[in-house]
Amino acid sequence: EAGVTQSPTHLIKTRGQQATLRCSPISGHTSVYWYQQALGLGLQFLLWYDEGEERNRGNFPPRFSGRQFPNYSSELNVNALELEDSALYLCASSLGQGAIYTFGSGTRLTVV
Amino acid sequence: GIQVEQSPPDLILQEGANSTLRCNFSDSVNNLQWFHQNPWGQLINLFYIPSGTKQNGRLSATTVATERYSLLYISSSQTTDSGVYFCAVGPWVAGGSYIPTFGRGTSLIVHP
Repeated sequence: EAGVTQSPTHLIKTRGQQATLRCSPISGHTSVYWYQQALGLGLQFLLWYDEGEERNRGNFPPRFSGRQFPNYSSELNVNALELEDSALYLCASSLGQGAIYTFGSGTRLTVV
Repeated sequence: GIQVEQSPPDLILQEGANSTLRCNFSDSVNNLQWFHQNPWGQLINLFYIPSGTKQNGRLSATTVATERYSLLYISSSQTTDSGVYFCAVGPWVAGGSYIPTFGRGTSLIVHP
C-alpha cells in the first residue's frame, strides 16, 4: 500500500512569489491535514480537509490556503511568500472516522 | 487550547542504554499518538495509545489518561533510534476525526 506522497521534495522561491505544494493521501483516506514545521520548532497545524471541504484551519494568515480534490488529494498554496515561511511542510492523512495519522515525507520550502 | 509538554527536551545516550520519554497534557483527550521524526524529516507513527499499554519490539508506551500523561520507553537503544520523538494529543472533533496538538518533542541522540 502506497503511503502519503508529497511533491515536490524541495522548493526554492523568492520573497513575494507563490508556492504550491501537493499531497496524495493513502488510498481510502478522506481526511488530509497540513502542518508547518519551522526549523527547530514543533509542528503547527495549518489546515484540515475532509470530503472536499475545509473543516478547520490553524492560526495562520489567509495567504495560506488550499483545496481538496474529488480524489482526496490536496494542494497547499502560499501566496506573497515571506522569508519566515521557510519551513518543512508536512501532510498527513487519516480515515474520516479513524484516528491514526500517517505523514508524508514533507516538502522543504525555502524562501530567499 | 490544550497544552502538551514533553520531557526531557534533549537526551544523549550510549548505544544499549534504556530511556523514558514523558508527555504531559493539560486536558482530557480521546487520542494520543507517539511519532518518531528521523533526521530526514519523515514522521513515523509509533503508537496510537489514548489509554493503556502497548509494546512493539524494543519500544513500549503507557498512557494514564486520568492523570494526563503518557510515557514512551526505549530499551537497548540503537543509533537508528536517533531523532525527535513527538507526542500528539487531541479530542474528537466534528466529523469523527481529530486535530492533534503536538508537543515540542524530545531530541534523542544515540552514540555508538
